[in-house]
Amino acid sequence: NAGVTQTPKFQVLKTGQSMTLQCAQDMNHEYMSWYRQDPGMGLRLIHYSVGAGITDQGEVPNGYNVSRSTTEDFPLRLLSAAPSQTSVYFCASSYSQGSRETQYFGPGTRLLVL
Amino acid sequence: AQSVTQLDSQVPVFEEAPVELRCNYSSSVSVYLFWYVQYPNQGLQLLLKYLSGSTLVKGINGFEAEFNKSQTSFHLRKPSVHISDSAEYFCAVRVGLTTSGTYKYIFGTGTRLKVLA
Repeated sequence: NAGVTQTPKFQVLKTGQSMTLQCAQDMNHEYMSWYRQDPGMGLRLIHYSVGAGITDQGEVPNGYNVSRSTTEDFPLRLLSAAPSQTSVYFCASSYSQGSRETQYFGPGTRLLVL
Repeated sequence: AQSVTQLDSQVPVFEEAPVELRCNYSSSVSVYLFWYVQYPNQGLQLLLKYLSGSTLVKGINGFEAEFNKSQTSFHLRKPSVHISDSAEYFCAVRVGLTTSGTYKYIFGTGTRLKVLA
């Protein structure tokens, strides 16, 4: 079990560039989500998904797109990077039922937008 | 709107002393509550959770938390901390019935626990 994996670990972009942050889990979890972590602001939910083909917006969705074509993968796309998107991004997955409900987090992707 | 408040951004405490990290939530419906720990340059790891049942929840590393519905609180406690407990701690709530009929998690802004020798 690899758990939740994220690639890349680090990325530097120029303003206006696009990129995709990859997230995969091998635990057959229905629920997956993306957060960004900024100093003093905790984790803020960007997008989430309760299953393949179903996604919804979180607190800070602007500038980001997601899709969920398989249970395992949940990529996050930055359409046109801006310096305000400099952050640490975490992907998480979880069971959604019963006592097993727990979010498992990936190691994070550190993004710098110049 | 649902929210989670962690009143203390930083808590310094001496080694072997007790500690309490405070968390309050606002929600008009039933919630599930969680505490996570984040060590430097790592992802978050679950400490404990309250889904239902006993209001006193025990977690890993000697931590426990008490769900208080009347005060809408879920404070985290440890009777004796170690240097290795120095980390950032996040309180989170799962809230249901979003616009798509699903649910989502809301996190607090975190409390940095600094254990002093």
